[in-house]
Amino acid sequence: GAGVSQSPSNKVTEKGKDVELRCDPISGHTALYWYRQSLGQGLEFLIYFQGNSAPDKSGLPSDRFSAERTGGSVSTLTIQRTQQEDSAVYLCASSPDFGGPGYTFGSGTRLTVV
Amino acid sequence: AQTVTQSQPEMSVQEAETVTLSCTYDTSESNYYLFWYKQPPSRQMILVIRQEAYKQQNATENRFSVNFQKAAKSFSLKISDSQLGDTAMYFCAFMKPRGVMYGGSQGNLIFGKGTKLSVKP
Repeated sequence: GAGVSQSPSNKVTEKGKDVELRCDPISGHTALYWYRQSLGQGLEFLIYFQGNSAPDKSGLPSDRFSAERTGGSVSTLTIQRTQQEDSAVYLCASSPDFGGPGYTFGSGTRLTVV
Repeated sequence: AQTVTQSQPEMSVQEAETVTLSCTYDTSESNYYLFWYKQPPSRQMILVIRQEAYKQQNATENRFSVNFQKAAKSFSLKISDSQLGDTAMYFCAFMKPRGVMYGGSQGNLIFGKGTKLSVKP
């Protein structure tokens, strides 16, 4: 696609429920990233996918968070047993591996846990 | 670990004036990239300008330019002829490339906490 697409745009869920957030990167971009933007916390790296390599999961805050990337394209971030502190904007970004640094971000999913 | 500090939580400027946003960072790396991203209410992070640490010349993109002081670890953004559409959150970010074993691929971005810029008519 022309840009990075994320869905849903907004999600309200009850505490304890599982949620799935989706990211469609730019076609041909081999690298995909998830970041979390919490109020007052800035942006935090969560996970990085690069081609068929093992993902860098070093930023995931707990084992309730997981992500996968199917076919080197679409990615899903799953949060199990959501807590109120999970409320944030979840941003996805993609980049080509070469051709100059800098990602293209999507518009994010605003997750609200009530 | 690398850190990025933006000391101005909020700033305002009159339309057509010039404004400078500050950013300092801490790293022991010699090869890295620095970025300024803009985040309007649409939430999408938009790349404004980037600077390679090995380049001494300051990057410019139309009305946007940076003052990169490597020794001082400072990376400020100057916006000239401010426009109403420049109103947004601005984030300074640091990236260390992952290195040869990862094919030189891009690394994780480390962001400052942002500066909220308001351009007033």
